Amino acid sequence: GAVVSQHPSRVICKSGTSVKIECRSLDFQATTMFWYRQFPKKSLMLMATSNEGSKATYEQGVEKDKFLINHASLTLSTLTVTSAHPEDSSFYICSARTGPRNTEAFFGQGTRLTVV
Amino acid sequence: AQSVAQPEDQVNVAEGNPLTVKCTYSVSGNPYLFWYVQYPNRGLQFLLKYITGDNLVNGSYGFEAEFNKSQTSFHLKKPSALVSDSALYFCAVRDSTGGYNKLIFGAGTRLAVHP
Repeated sequence: GAVVSQHPSRVICKSGTSVKIECRSLDFQATTMFWYRQFPKKSLMLMATSNEGSKATYEQGVEKDKFLINHASLTLSTLTVTSAHPEDSSFYICSARTGPRNTEAFFGQGTRLTVV
Repeated sequence: AQSVAQPEDQVNVAEGNPLTVKCTYSVSGNPYLFWYVQYPNRGLQFLLKYITGDNLVNGSYGFEAEFNKSQTSFHLKKPSALVSDSALYFCAVRDSTGGYNKLIFGAGTRLAVHP
């Protein structure tokens, strides 16, 4: 299957600082990527849909000014958690499709964010 | 809105025995259904999907799933469980609202296979 790489896999940051997470499609171009958040022992919550060259589409209840998404190229989307607080600590996962008509999504390995 | 439900938080199976992980769905229109597996601190791996056609879908690692329209179910199965199958399993449905083909996940079921 297609490969989606996420970086970093783990990050610890201080409260009030910002953290950037990268999601790359390594062997295909992805016009659309998706960002999920997973709480411990919980399912994945879709945060936003990232679109190359345009603004991201955020799900209801997700603060777009706090979770900045940039999809500047067909192989890279970034999620920046701004002014992070301990409650932002979570596992963040990105996914991408290999094409607009393809149905299954491929996922990055996830990023464990801990805000202290 | 499209949704899936996984009624079991955890399923315990002895190695070598058949396993079933349950999923029911609620959709408008034709369902596009998926199963993914997640190992600790990892992303999700695609197992199989149902789009149309045969109700029995074969997937990776010996898994299969049966689409049942009358019962609105899409249960994941494997004839003989392995200890290495122990992981978190997610059922998902495609939601095309807004045109982006999002995946909506169930709550997940933890599968524990005992030696």
